[in-house]
Amino acid sequence: QSVLTQPPSVSAAPGQRVTISCSGSSSNIGLNYVFWYQQLPGTAPKLLIFEDNKRPSGIPDRFSGSKAGTSATLAFSGLQTGDEADYYCGVWDTSLGAVVLGGGTRLTVL
Amino acid sequence: QVQLVESGGGEVQPGTSPRLSCGASGFIFSNYGMNWVRQAPGKGLEWVAHVSYHGKLTYYADSVRGRFTVSRDNSMNSLYLQMHSLRADDTAVYYCAIIPLDPTYRALNAWGRGTTVTVSS
Repeated sequence: QSVLTQPPSVSAAPGQRVTISCSGSSSNIGLNYVFWYQQLPGTAPKLLIFEDNKRPSGIPDRFSGSKAGTSATLAFSGLQTGDEADYYCGVWDTSLGAVVLGGGTRLTVL
Repeated sequence: QVQLVESGGGEVQPGTSPRLSCGASGFIFSNYGMNWVRQAPGKGLEWVAHVSYHGKLTYYADSVRGRFTVSRDNSMNSLYLQMHSLRADDTAVYYCAIIPLDPTYRALNAWGRGTTVTVSS
């Protein structure tokens, strides 16, 4: 049972917009910065979003992050088949003294 | 170019105590907290441990607290994970990672390719 709750799967057609939610609590998302990773099969995770809504260099602006209260959202527009992957949210939990990660969301491009 | 390279994995017997290493290059290692994250076969990511930039503060997941010890040698640009009392459910790919937890990381982020630990008798 993960401290952060993500939907197990989402799907959408190419070109559409999709969002992935990440629900936490006042000791983690409500207090600290959220990050998001993309993991393609057989590869190490790749950072998409850090500090709630910032993109590392090289990440296209069709990926965006937002946060409200104790929930965060990863959104991407113009879905591509290459976006099929697992997506994880994460944050520092001040009460636990630990990095907490969501269980991951598998994106399927129909 | 920021690079992290893990080593020390392999097939080990239950109850043994292997040590994983992670060599860092391309950045000022002593400035950043470091993490170990693992992924069991077919499962999601699981954060394992964090060590502060100076090595004085360590944090652990409940699943490994008391069995694993994270440490670093800033003079060698190296991160370590000493594992004890290994169990079958410790079988996973272990990643060394910089995770930008706050603005002090200045957007620095990197993961190694991982090293596989298989616990089997």
